[in-house]
Amino acid sequence: KQEVTQIPAALSVPEGENLVLNCSFTDSAIYNLQWFRQDPGKGLTSLLLIQSSQREQTSGRLNASLDKSSGRSTLYIAASQPGDSATYLCAVDSGGGADGLTFGKGTHLIIQP
Amino acid sequence: ETGVTQSPTHLIKTRGQQVTLRCSSQSGHNTVSWYQQALGQGPQFIFQYYREEENGRGNFPPRFSGLQFPNYSSELNVNALELDDSALYLCASSLSGSLYEQYFGPGTRLTVT
Repeated sequence: KQEVTQIPAALSVPEGENLVLNCSFTDSAIYNLQWFRQDPGKGLTSLLLIQSSQREQTSGRLNASLDKSSGRSTLYIAASQPGDSATYLCAVDSGGGADGLTFGKGTHLIIQP
Repeated sequence: ETGVTQSPTHLIKTRGQQVTLRCSSQSGHNTVSWYQQALGQGPQFIFQYYREEENGRGNFPPRFSGLQFPNYSSELNVNALELDDSALYLCASSLSGSLYEQYFGPGTRLTVT
């Protein structure tokens, strides 16, 4: 059974810092990995999708990497801003779509102005 | 392009009652998935529908059931509500297969008293 762990559970940093969020998964046989952002009480916003054959994806100040063999992904946020404050969730697709996504519990990020 | 919408936003029900939640998929998407997110947890996969058929299910009892309609909108029905069913229910739509991102709606907050 696939399990996803996110470290740290919470993080508070001053504005402007670069930061790294970590995600690990127990079964390396994945189809893809997706990073999401969730604001309090709201739905999920897709940030980046990395296919199993890819090593990284970039969107603006965000860069996500994937090391499938070691079961790890990182989300790098450059020049953090207060508007980046949210919970960041990592999710893996282990079943080709029909088994749904397996999520971690998320990293609660606070960017101090 | 219209995103994923869900109704109602909030709902309060009594233990033992039945509830129906609704989701309208993003235009052009033929697959819809439902997730349950308890407070402080990552979303848990309930089931997925593709072309009006359930084609994947997570570890949820049969009292959780669904429908997908020809216009790709969907319903989640929960019978015999229990206190532990209190959660944020998220709907996600996508194209079929693991190559595509899942796009989430804003969720329905269900409280069972």
